[in-house]
Amino acid sequence: EADIYQTPRYLVIGTGKKITLECSQTMGHDKMYWYQQDPGMELHLIHYSYGVNSTEKGDLSSESTVSRIRTEHFPLTLESARPSHTSQYLCASSVGVWGSEAFFGQGTRLTVV
Amino acid sequence: AQTVTQSQPEMSVQEAETVTLSCTYDTSESDYYLFWYKQPPSRQMILVIRQEAYKQQNATENRFSVNFQKAAKSFSLKISDSQLGDAAMYFCAYGAQKLVFGQGTRLTINP
Repeated sequence: EADIYQTPRYLVIGTGKKITLECSQTMGHDKMYWYQQDPGMELHLIHYSYGVNSTEKGDLSSESTVSRIRTEHFPLTLESARPSHTSQYLCASSVGVWGSEAFFGQGTRLTVV
Repeated sequence: AQTVTQSQPEMSVQEAETVTLSCTYDTSESDYYLFWYKQPPSRQMILVIRQEAYKQQNATENRFSVNFQKAAKSFSLKISDSQLGDAAMYFCAYGAQKLVFGQGTRLTINP
């Protein structure tokens, strides 16, 4: 299995709370991605990074923010969670070369009540 | 912006038979890659097969092969000798500066 880890796997949290979803990879990959996926549905790219100190917004507008201070770490933060944020969040990474295989974490299933 | 479209939300096939999943995409770039990923129930997404756009030869990986039609912007996946373990969501993806996915096709294998 790929060396990319997401924590927590499951999170139930109240409205208005600040949350951070963790994503770490030990492969030294430059590119990292965050996708939002409702169960059994398509993946929407919400953030990506080419490397340290590089972050870009994806195709789906998101109220979340990301940072990339270290190559191996790409956390996603929601300052004030809302029920509309309930979804699965998938993190992925790949080497910087175009066409490289992306490796995915197991995902964080977030429920905001 | 690049878009990827999978027009078959669900497909089913008898075990040991062949099934083809469809994918079309839209891009103005000439250099890119196309992928098929598999997401088994409650498990991690994994790469099934990859195609470089500059290669005319269709990629093949064991029972999985693609039909890449660059002019038509079409990229279908053929699974031969379907097995129960092939049951999953299959996502077509376009890769250049970023990786963009289609809506997915849920494949069911009937024993």
